[in-house]
Amino acid sequence: GAGVSQTPSNKVTEKGKYVELRCDPISGHTALYWYRQSLGQGPEFLIYFQGTGAADDSGLPNDRFFAVRPEGSVSTLKIQRTERGDSAVYLCASSLTVTDTQYFGPGTRLTVL
Amino acid sequence: AQTVTQSQPEMSVQEAETVTLSCTYDTSESDYYLFWYKQPPSRQMILVIRQEAYKQQNATENRFSVNFQKAAKSFSLKISDSQLGDAAMYFCAPAGAGSYQLTFGKGTKLSVIP
Repeated sequence: GAGVSQTPSNKVTEKGKYVELRCDPISGHTALYWYRQSLGQGPEFLIYFQGTGAADDSGLPNDRFFAVRPEGSVSTLKIQRTERGDSAVYLCASSLTVTDTQYFGPGTRLTVL
Repeated sequence: AQTVTQSQPEMSVQEAETVTLSCTYDTSESDYYLFWYKQPPSRQMILVIRQEAYKQQNATENRFSVNFQKAAKSFSLKISDSQLGDAAMYFCAPAGAGSYQLTFGKGTKLSVIP
């Protein structure tokens, strides 16, 4: 079946702009995760959804970052007033349940000029 | 809370040979899982192997196997008969059972020499 998909693949924006990154999980997966991967580092956890609700958003760096999953499937990560330090690859993953293996999408590379 | 150390930033192996990538971790969880993920230049994280910490038997997946030493908190990955397609960044990641956060190391870049 189809894997996790993310759009756009690449996003270039200017400092101060608003961006939205989209994640389509594997069909039937109830758990969805966002990670951020800075250059030369491993991914870092941002937020976890179980169904429609954000079960843990402790990894979000500040209040400029917000994510939603209104129907328990597609999720959108929203970043307001982007800063150059937000430049990174944003990875989305999904799993059947919270204890199952996480499967990752190809990521969105965000570049803030 | 979990921490992960991958002490080899880069490794290389001749095609068809065997290579071992190291990983040590620390965790406060009593029950947890351990993963190795591979990230080729395409960016997509691909699951290589999964180990349940309560299992004494080391996990294997075709050419990939692990040496899991629970007391030493060591979780190394062995790749046998290395192929050109194995070239990638490899990340070790523990996750507490019932938790959901994967904690990734900084990765090891593996090059395969034809």
